[in-house]
Amino acid sequence: AQKVTQAQTEISVVEKEDVTLDCVYETRDTTYYLFWYKQPPSGELVFLIRRNSFDEQNEISGRYSWNFQKSTSSFNFTITASQVVDSAVYFCALSWPGGSYIPTFGRGTSLIVHP
Amino acid sequence: EPEVTQTPSHQVTQMGQEVILRCVPISNHLYFYWYRQILGQKVEFLVSFYNNEISEKSEIFDDQFSVERPDGSNFTLKIRSTKLEDSAMYFCASSWGGVAGVTDTQYFGPGTRLTVL
Repeated sequence: AQKVTQAQTEISVVEKEDVTLDCVYETRDTTYYLFWYKQPPSGELVFLIRRNSFDEQNEISGRYSWNFQKSTSSFNFTITASQVVDSAVYFCALSWPGGSYIPTFGRGTSLIVHP
Repeated sequence: EPEVTQTPSHQVTQMGQEVILRCVPISNHLYFYWYRQILGQKVEFLVSFYNNEISEKSEIFDDQFSVERPDGSNFTLKIRSTKLEDSAMYFCASSWGGVAGVTDTQYFGPGTRLTVL
């Protein structure tokens, strides 16, 4: 069955620390998409990244970076030099053809960045 | 930057009442979605809508739910007779789908928090 596991329920760091949020997925399909969304305390869902299964290149966007490893079925998200504004719940999601490409979300990781 | 908008931001209703949640998707998008998130839990898919009809729905989306695109800009979710367990944040999302079709990235609105008393 297709599934997304975010084993870290809550992570607490101090500003300027680097932090990695883990995402492990399960799928039998060879074609699929992975996503990260951010949900700040205000509640909206903000799209961060989409990656298809054929593109294993790591991606960097400012302080954010993503490490996609098919060998371990992981799509981890690292925030470098964390800031208080990074405090949010982060969701990893998976979509695949058999699921009509409707994203299935993980349970989310709550990141708290202390000043 | 275009964005999905939702109204109201918070709706309080009595059990058994009908509610309509409204969304304005991004203007050139072709696919529309509703999701819900019960407090502290993960985001769950309700329904997708394309070409003026429902394309997929989950088991949550039972007969008390309906969706409509009443004009060229709005996309609504109606809950006919609300229950206590319908209390949740409801997110609307849309995706362009012009080239990538249904695989395109979904962009979410800010959500409507529904409280059923």
